[in-house]
Formats: sequence, C-alpha cells, structure tokens
Amino acid sequence: QSALTQPPSASGSPGQSVTISCSGTSSDVGGYNFVSWYQQHPGKAPKLMIYEVRERPSGVPDRFSGSRSGNTASLTVSGLQAEDEADYYCCSYAGNNKWVFGTGTKVTVL
Amino acid sequence: QLVESGGGLIHPGGSLRLSCAASGLTVSSNSMSWLRQAPGKGLEYLSVIYTGGNAYYADSVKGRFTLSRDNSRNTLYLQMNSLRAEDTALYYCARKGGSSYFDVWGRGSLVTVSS
Repeated sequence: QSALTQPPSASGSPGQSVTISCSGTSSDVGGYNFVSWYQQHPGKAPKLMIYEVRERPSGVPDRFSGSRSGNTASLTVSGLQAEDEADYYCCSYAGNNKWVFGTGTKVTVL
Repeated sequence: QLVESGGGLIHPGGSLRLSCAASGLTVSSNSMSWLRQAPGKGLEYLSVIYTGGNAYYADSVKGRFTLSRDNSRNTLYLQMNSLRAEDTALYYCARKGGSSYFDVWGRGSLVTVSS
C-alpha cells in the first residue's frame, strides 16, 4: 500500500486560510468514507482533528474542516492561529483491515 | 490514557516486546492498534486487534510482529521478532475509535535497531 500524497509544506498568515490536499486512489480515499486527519506538534503524539471525511471530534475548533472530491481529500484550516503550526497527516482506510497515512504536510504560520 | 513501554536498543535480528498500559479505557472493550513513526518520517499503521480478539497486520510486519492483550492487566502488547534497521521508530499504541480512526494515542516508545 503506497502512502497517500500530501504537499510537503503549506503556509499562511494569521487569520488566513490554508488547505492541505491528500491524494489517494479508488482503493482508499475514494473508496471509503473513512478519511481522517491528525495534527502533530513537535515531540508530541498525533491528535485526531477530522474523521469520516468531514466530522470533527468534540473539542476541535470549527476552524478545521474536511472535504473530499473523488480520490483527493482536503483539510482546510480557516482563521489560522499560531498554535496551528504543526505537521498534519491524512489517513484512509484501505480495506482488509489496513490503513494508509499521507506523507505529511508541515504548516507554517507566517 | 495509554502509556507505552519496553522500547530500547536492539541488534538486528533480535526481539523486543512493547507494552501499552491503559487507564480510563478498557482494552478488551475497544479495538486497539499499534502505529509507528520513523525518525523524521510520517506515520505508519502496523496492526489492529478487535474486541473479539482477531488481529490483523500491515504487510511490512506480517509474520514478524504479533499483537496481543492481557485483559486482567488492561494492557496491549506488541511482540516484535526478526527486527531490522528499518523498524527503528517511535511506536505508538492507539484506540481505533468508531468506524475507522485513531482517537486516543499514547506518547510512544522508541525502538532503535542497530548493531
């Protein structure tokens, strides 16, 4: 199973929006409504930010939103804040009790 | 809360068993997973065990790693055999919540495979 493709980096000024793409195939991203997104600060464990493509766990700000078109999922962070600077990973169920993660995107708040 | 332990430095070809002690959640009542992150790299799914006890593995570790749990100790284990340099990583245990996501994570246990 190949890793999902994410841009290595993305950036925006405070208050702006940034969108991260996650490109997969019809066997993973496009085949299941099981795309999730994780935020990871340096030296910390990943934190679930979005599940089932667009659902937010309780406690996650509504500035974070998810979507999908075909085999590509996206995470949008609106109203960027300094604490949003982190690495972000997408993840998709890929069938047969396997999951595949994205290559990761480093978000920088300028 | 999930707390991993058991990591360390191991020679290639060696074996190691990681533990994941749970508090505030019951391991046997949840689907639980192991994932890892090589230094400076992304996340990789390794294995899942469901409430019924069936365990499944990523191709990269199938046949070498075994996931198990001790319900009396509320602890998850990952037995790792035939370790390779490319298994060097921070190993996380996590709860697989709901449909198909990982919503509770430990802080990780570092495994270094080197001669």
